[in-house]
Amino acid sequence: GESVGLHLPTLSVQEGDNSIINCAYSNSASDYFIWYKQESGKGPQFIIDIRSNMDKRQGQRVTVLLNKTVKHLSLQIAATQPGDSAVYFCAENNGTGGFKTIFGAGTRLFVKA
Amino acid sequence: DAGVTQSPTHLIKTRGQHVTLRCSPISGHKSVSWYQQVLGQGPQFIFQYYEKEERGRGNFPDRFSARQFPNYSSELNVNALLLGDSALYLCASSGTVNYGYTFGSGTRLTVV
Repeated sequence: GESVGLHLPTLSVQEGDNSIINCAYSNSASDYFIWYKQESGKGPQFIIDIRSNMDKRQGQRVTVLLNKTVKHLSLQIAATQPGDSAVYFCAENNGTGGFKTIFGAGTRLFVKA
Repeated sequence: DAGVTQSPTHLIKTRGQHVTLRCSPISGHKSVSWYQQVLGQGPQFIFQYYEKEERGRGNFPDRFSARQFPNYSSELNVNALLLGDSALYLCASSGTVNYGYTFGSGTRLTVV
């Protein structure tokens, strides 16, 4: 069945350290992956995306890595800041025309000052 | 520019009632998707509309329905509300059918 999951429900890091949030997906036909950040009381906010023809994409302080062989996705946040504290979701557009996005359960990131 | 706007922001309904949630997409966006987010979980896909046609449907009962209007705004309707329908309902819009979705802040529905 379709599923996108995260390995760790919570992650606690020291301010200034790098954070790595992992995600596994099950649909090998998925061709587009997105990381979202959700703060309390708000909707998910787009962070970075990657298409299946790439294995790495970098943004400002964030990098997404895609390993299609093991169906694994990761989000790396450099120099984590208190404002990065939130729940992070990975999501995939499945292979059936891409008309729906499947979200994982989320990882809560705590940044200690 | 305004982002995706949803109304109302909060709503309390009684079991068995009907509810209508509204979404205005970003100007120029023709695709709207609806999601249900239960506390502590990721958003679950309900519907996607593009150019006023339903393009995708998630695993939700027929009590859930939606439509998209000529101005690309959208409504999500839920009939015969159950306690388990209590959730944050999110709307997202995009200029394409597949990519680049921007979410609204959601409507918090509580069924008592």
